[in-house]
Amino acid sequence: DGGITQSPKYLFRKEGQNVTLSCEQNLNHDAMYWYRQDPGQGLRLIYYSQIVNDFQKGDIAEGYSVSREKKESFPLTVTSAQKNPTAFYLCASSKRGGGLDNEQFFGPGTRLTVL
Amino acid sequence: GENVEQHPSTLSVQEGDSAVIKCTYSDSASNYFPWYKQELGKRPQLIIDIRSNVGEKKDQRIAVTLNKTAKHFSLHITETQPEDSAVYFCAAISNFGNEKLTFGTGTRLTIIP
Repeated sequence: DGGITQSPKYLFRKEGQNVTLSCEQNLNHDAMYWYRQDPGQGLRLIYYSQIVNDFQKGDIAEGYSVSREKKESFPLTVTSAQKNPTAFYLCASSKRGGGLDNEQFFGPGTRLTVL
Repeated sequence: GENVEQHPSTLSVQEGDSAVIKCTYSDSASNYFPWYKQELGKRPQLIIDIRSNVGEKKDQRIAVTLNKTAKHFSLHITETQPEDSAVYFCAAISNFGNEKLTFGTGTRLTIIP
């Protein structure tokens, strides 16, 4: 179903705890992205990576961290420094190439709730 | 950076009528404009896209128009059906250096049977 998976589907966290969301793709895409979606808002970019071992901050990176040790994987850690982490988190991937094919494929999402 | 505004935030149309959603963007260097559909509880999926070298693209009941001078683009859905009910997002990207999409805030489209 699209070749990009996220786990878990639902995640509950106590305040003060770090939590890591998984994102894996088998589409052989170089670029991967993490978005946060809140009710009534669009998708806001947290971090993105265009190649292994390299990543850049998006628009709302504070309180989050990522790693890109493998092409297939781009895990997101929500740290205790993120003040309002309850949200729906979407991972996406795309080819690179500067224009011919920019479609981003999304995973099914992880709904994080802080208790 | 790029800023994308989307209107309206909610839209209700009678089944069979047409629906139009409009977006404006700020970065004149942006050259790729996709539209995503997100059904309740599901992932966004690309439904149509347009590049800056064309003014209009059509795929069955869905069309997108682009006005580069005015920096706005629109999604048109004709002969709407109940399964068109969803949230629609526009987005814009500049290919100069990265493939970072900037999304609009979404339009919740409801088709009234």
